[in-house]
Amino acid sequence: AQSVAQPEDQVNVAEGNPLTVKCTYSVSGNPYLFWYVQYPNRGLQFLLKYITGDNLVKGSYGFEAEFNKSQTSFHLKKPSALVSDSALYFCAVTGGGNKLTFGTGTQLKVEL
Amino acid sequence: KAGVTQTPRYLIKTRGQQVTLSCSPISGHRSVSWYQQTPGQGLQFLFEYFSETQRNKGNFPGRFSGRQFSNSRSEMNVSTLELGDSALYLCASSLPSGRVDEQFFGPGTRLTVL
Repeated sequence: AQSVAQPEDQVNVAEGNPLTVKCTYSVSGNPYLFWYVQYPNRGLQFLLKYITGDNLVKGSYGFEAEFNKSQTSFHLKKPSALVSDSALYFCAVTGGGNKLTFGTGTQLKVEL
Repeated sequence: KAGVTQTPRYLIKTRGQQVTLSCSPISGHRSVSWYQQTPGQGLQFLFEYFSETQRNKGNFPGRFSGRQFSNSRSEMNVSTLELGDSALYLCASSLPSGRVDEQFFGPGTRLTVL
């Protein structure tokens, strides 16, 4: 079985400050990890993925994520938050194939 | 390149009815997956189709079914609708590259069951 935990329902950060959205996972075998973002009344937009290789993955809109195998974590980060980053963020995992298991989501609120 | 399209965008049905949702993947994508999103259960995988065959299935009752056509377009059907089926149904497509690829999601169909 595979699972994802996003321990924070909401993260608040001031514009210009760095942001972190946390994600831990559990999966049999090698993990394939993804971050998606969802804006109100929209589908999910792909941000970045970890398949193999470098533990630091860079993605869209200045986001990056660090894969940590020993801590089974894949936290999403951005050096300088924008108000327009405010949205719902989902971490997802698969042990292979397209059956993604999603976390419960973290609402990011970036304030001026 | 056009994205994943889903029709209709909004749907209102009553209990006991059935519904069919449609998804057109990105051109060249042959894998189509369906997810249900609700406030209580979050995002849950329904099933995946590849080359007109169901390749993966989630833990949903048999009232939920799907199919894929030769042009990779997919439909999902829910029979005997229940109030709890009210949700945003998302379709996602991906390349059949043999690796694990990112899935591209459509805007979803918002189903309301009264």
